[in-house]
Amino acid sequence: AQKVTQAQTEISVVEKEDVTLDCVYETRDTTYYLFWYKQPPSGELVFLIRRNSFDEQNEISGRYSWNFQKSTSSFNFTITASQVVDSAVYFCALSEPNYGQNFVFGPGTRLSVLP
Amino acid sequence: DGGITQSPKYLFRKEGQNVTLSCEQNLNHDAMYWYRQDPGQGLRLIYYSQIVNDFQKGDIAEGYSVSREKKESFPLTVTSAQKNPTAFYLCASSPATGTLEAFFGQGTRLTVV
Repeated sequence: AQKVTQAQTEISVVEKEDVTLDCVYETRDTTYYLFWYKQPPSGELVFLIRRNSFDEQNEISGRYSWNFQKSTSSFNFTITASQVVDSAVYFCALSEPNYGQNFVFGPGTRLSVLP
Repeated sequence: DGGITQSPKYLFRKEGQNVTLSCEQNLNHDAMYWYRQDPGQGLRLIYYSQIVNDFQKGDIAEGYSVSREKKESFPLTVTSAQKNPTAFYLCASSPATGTLEAFFGQGTRLTVV
């Protein structure tokens, strides 16, 4: 069955520290997509990145980077030099197009960046 | 601007009353979704629709109903049968491929008193 686990419920860091948010997934297919979303206090989920199962290349976007490892079924998210504006709840999600179009979300990790 | 609009942002209802949450999108997406989020928890799928006039139950459909008469609209009714309706409700849409990301509305916070 499809499942997404985010073992870290809450993380607190001091501004400028690096922080890694973990995501482990279970999938029943070889074709799948992984996503990260940010939910600021306003409530709307903001899309950050999509990665398909055939592309294990890591990606960097500014202070954000993602490490996709199929061998460990993980898709971890690192914020470098964290800022107070990074404080939010971060969700990892999985979709399996061959089994429909719905998305399965992890429980989320609440990140607090302290000044 | 293209996007998803949920209304209202805050909704208060008395116990035993049905209430309908609005969700409209102008992204020309075929698929639409309703999720429920409880404090400190993740998103749970209530219903989703891949095409007009068709929808499927998600993990927690009991006590909810939906309709999809137009591509742009996917209203959610929270019925009196829903045991614990107070929650944050998020609507989303995506292209009909399952390969692209979903876009979310700003959510409706429903409080039943």
